[in-house]
Amino acid sequence: AQTVTQSQPEMSVQEAETVTLSCTYDTSESNYYLFWYKQPPSRQMILVIRQEAYKQQNATENRFSVNFQKAAKSFSLKISDSQLGDTAMYFCASSGGGADGLTFGKGTHLIIQP
Amino acid sequence: EAGVVQSPRYKIIEKKQPVAFWCNPISGHNTLYWYRQNLGQGPELLIRYENEEAVDDSQLPKDRFSAERLKGVDSTLKIQPAELGDSAVYLCASSFYGELFFGEGSRLTVL
Repeated sequence: AQTVTQSQPEMSVQEAETVTLSCTYDTSESNYYLFWYKQPPSRQMILVIRQEAYKQQNATENRFSVNFQKAAKSFSLKISDSQLGDTAMYFCASSGGGADGLTFGKGTHLIIQP
Repeated sequence: EAGVVQSPRYKIIEKKQPVAFWCNPISGHNTLYWYRQNLGQGPELLIRYENEEAVDDSQLPKDRFSAERLKGVDSTLKIQPAELGDSAVYLCASSFYGELFFGEGSRLTVL
């Protein structure tokens, strides 16, 4: 069984600032994957970044990077140089690998202010 | 390449009425998922298909929900009869090497 906890229901920052979204997880799997998904208002959910638990190096995708702390079961998302288009719900999710599907947290509503 | 297509986008029905949602996954994706997303919450898995076989339906309320995936491609999720608590967004996703691709969802309102 897997659980994912996002403790920040909403965050608001100014455009161009850096923001970090928090996520903790629990899993009984020895190998697993972690994800951040973005869901803009009334639009489909898209993958922002993924991390394989067996990799020590933190994943990065352009302005998005993660801080993966395996021992602490923490998986935070950092967005640098935030843009208005980053305004969305952000969901942290975990998977046991393969095609098991994802377990999602409750999400963080990120608002980028002009 | 077309993404995951869902219909209808929006549906408003009275309680006790039936409703059905349709999903066309990305071509070549053998795994298909149905999730339910309540307002202000993360998606929760209802059922997972590998080709035409439902391999995980443990979270599907089988007294009123049913699903099928004929020929291992398109899928339909049905609710009969609908209850007020079924109001939610129903998301379909298909996966390729563990990465899920989501449709835009079907928003159900039960009055």
